[in-house]
Amino acid sequence: GENVEQHPSTLSVQEGDSAVIKCTYSDSASNYFPWYKQELGKRPQLIIDIRSNVGEKKDQRIAVTLNKTAKHFSLHITETQPEDSAVYFCAASRGGTSYGKLTFGQGTILTVHP
Amino acid sequence: KAGVTQTPRYLIKTRGQQVTLSCSPISGHRSVSWYQQTPGQGLQFLFEYFSETQRNKGNFPGRFSGRQFSNSRSEMNVSTLELGDSALYLCASSLGMRRGPPQETQYFGPGTRLLVL
Repeated sequence: GENVEQHPSTLSVQEGDSAVIKCTYSDSASNYFPWYKQELGKRPQLIIDIRSNVGEKKDQRIAVTLNKTAKHFSLHITETQPEDSAVYFCAASRGGTSYGKLTFGQGTILTVHP
Repeated sequence: KAGVTQTPRYLIKTRGQQVTLSCSPISGHRSVSWYQQTPGQGLQFLFEYFSETQRNKGNFPGRFSGRQFSNSRSEMNVSTLELGDSALYLCASSLGMRRGPPQETQYFGPGTRLLVL
């Protein structure tokens, strides 16, 4: 089955710096890659996603890049703010007959120091 | 639109008991997926329901089951509870309008935190 590895497990940055979180996946049929942010005691919330026909997607301070050949994708947060502090999860899905199943990475605890 | 809702939000049970959790998806969403979240194992897929049918299942024992009603609301049941079942149980809904498309965005509920003593 699909396996998603996420690094680093913890990341500490100063306010205004950039943060990068990387994920690799094993199933070459995966074609949908969302990123979720989960604050303490709250539900995971989608922050950005990318599909396999796109190499990069950006939304204000957040961007995601996808390298299908290498089977890895990355989350980039620029100009970090203290409110970006949370746990970030990457996930992968092949859809189709596996519709509804997301395979998650282990999560990255991001701390942004003021 | 109202978001995904889950009830109850917190539960305390003892070993051997059973529990039923409920999830109401976003209006118009027909696919409901369930996940177990623990500090050690992270987020793991339990199963997915669409149009009252279980379409996909993760690697959990048969003690974990679910169902979906005609209004797309879903329930999951865990029988013969074990200490290791203590977790946050999350459901997520997505449109699921067509069979076989790429995965559509999943929106999560707030979760039910289950503590087994």
